[in-house]
Amino acid sequence: DQQVKQNSPSLSVQEGRISILNCDYTNSMFDYFLWYKKYPAEGPTFLISISSIKDKNEDGRFTVFLNKSAKHLSLHIVPSQPGDSAVYFCAASARTSGSRLTFGEGTQLTVNP
Amino acid sequence: GAGVSQSPSNKVTEKGKDVELRCDPISGHTALYWYRQSLGQGLEFLIYFQGNSAPDKSGLPSDRFSAERTGGSVSTLTIQRTQQEDSAVYLCASSPRVVVAKNIQYFGAGTRLSVL
Repeated sequence: DQQVKQNSPSLSVQEGRISILNCDYTNSMFDYFLWYKKYPAEGPTFLISISSIKDKNEDGRFTVFLNKSAKHLSLHIVPSQPGDSAVYFCAASARTSGSRLTFGEGTQLTVNP
Repeated sequence: GAGVSQSPSNKVTEKGKDVELRCDPISGHTALYWYRQSLGQGLEFLIYFQGNSAPDKSGLPSDRFSAERTGGSVSTLTIQRTQQEDSAVYLCASSPRVVVAKNIQYFGAGTRLSVL
């Protein structure tokens, strides 16, 4: 039962353009959503998050959008930079489940110079 | 150190042997989580500890897996009689509190376990 899904295993964009990473979830109890970035041989690094009471959160070049009715969230990176190349994981948590994180499979983003 | 520390970074073992993986969380963090990432997969929850409460073990895949957290700080994940399917990267995370509106978890670099 994959409760968080990232349907695109990979994404390639040109430097300076927008990167859009998508994530879908099925569990309506999720109330907090996070994006993590992971470089090879390193642990995931927290990037940005959003509470279920909001529909948008912005931090510099990174914006996360949440569409609760569609159970969909997306991460926008603009402008994209080569250093953004990494695997991006979408994660969700629910206070009723002790706030453990349920992760998607990840999307490999490659930003080409 | 400032971050979550895990040791060893790599572990190669033979099938049937026991292994212990260690996690030092960020100082002051009361919640500690173990996840694993198998090849090509997302992170899979294993177990979490919150303060002195009983741990949530619901993600442990079999009774060969166990974990403890001593003194509310360091945690050890033990895998007995390892199998080849246990090969994965085992990640530890800690967070300041659980059951709050915003629970950001901070991860260590992981232990890559290879069972031959």
